[in-house]
Amino acid sequence: NAGVTQTPKFQVLKTGQSMTLQCAQDMNHNSMYWYRQDPGMGLRLIYYSASEGTTDKGEVPNGYNVSRLNKREFSLRLESAAPSQTSVYFCASSEVEAGGKDTQYFGPGTRLTVL
Amino acid sequence: QKEVEQNSGPLSVPEGAIASLNCTYSDRGSQSFFWYRQYSGKSPELIMFIYSNGDKEDGRFTAQLNKASQYVSLLIRDSQPSDSATYLCAVNMFYNTGKLIFGQGTTLQVKP
Repeated sequence: NAGVTQTPKFQVLKTGQSMTLQCAQDMNHNSMYWYRQDPGMGLRLIYYSASEGTTDKGEVPNGYNVSRLNKREFSLRLESAAPSQTSVYFCASSEVEAGGKDTQYFGPGTRLTVL
Repeated sequence: QKEVEQNSGPLSVPEGAIASLNCTYSDRGSQSFFWYRQYSGKSPELIMFIYSNGDKEDGRFTAQLNKASQYVSLLIRDSQPSDSATYLCAVNMFYNTGKLIFGQGTTLQVKP
């Protein structure tokens, strides 16, 4: 039971290059999330998927696209990378439990640098 | 603008003391509240969840919620050096979704 996995762990891009960050979960959760974390900024939600086939913008969606490929996988794409997208990216998944508790389980993160 | 505010710290306490971390939030209709712990270079992990006013205790951790004043706090009793981490407050401000707004985190240092 791997939980939430992310690939790659590290990536360096040049300005204007594109890439896709992959995320998969094996907990059969309906909801999945993409966050970015910058120093002193906490976690900011980029996109959210409540279930397979649905996606919704978060706080900072500009410059990103997402695909909920199936229940397990949720990918994040940078079409034309910019230095402002240098950050650590976390994927998470969750399912509502009894009492309304909705614990998000996080992947190990992808550290992205855009030169 | 939905916001969650925390003092970024660092908060430094001696080993064995009580660490008190605070968080305020902007949306009065917020339903549920979370504390995540994040060690340096690692991903966040949930340590406390609270949704009703009052205190909730789990081992050395106590979460306190006051919806009227729009704040939530985390107390760590008998602080240990292994508690040194960044503590993130997160609030669900979106009805019937799992979306969270995170604060910027408070860095806690427990000195032996």
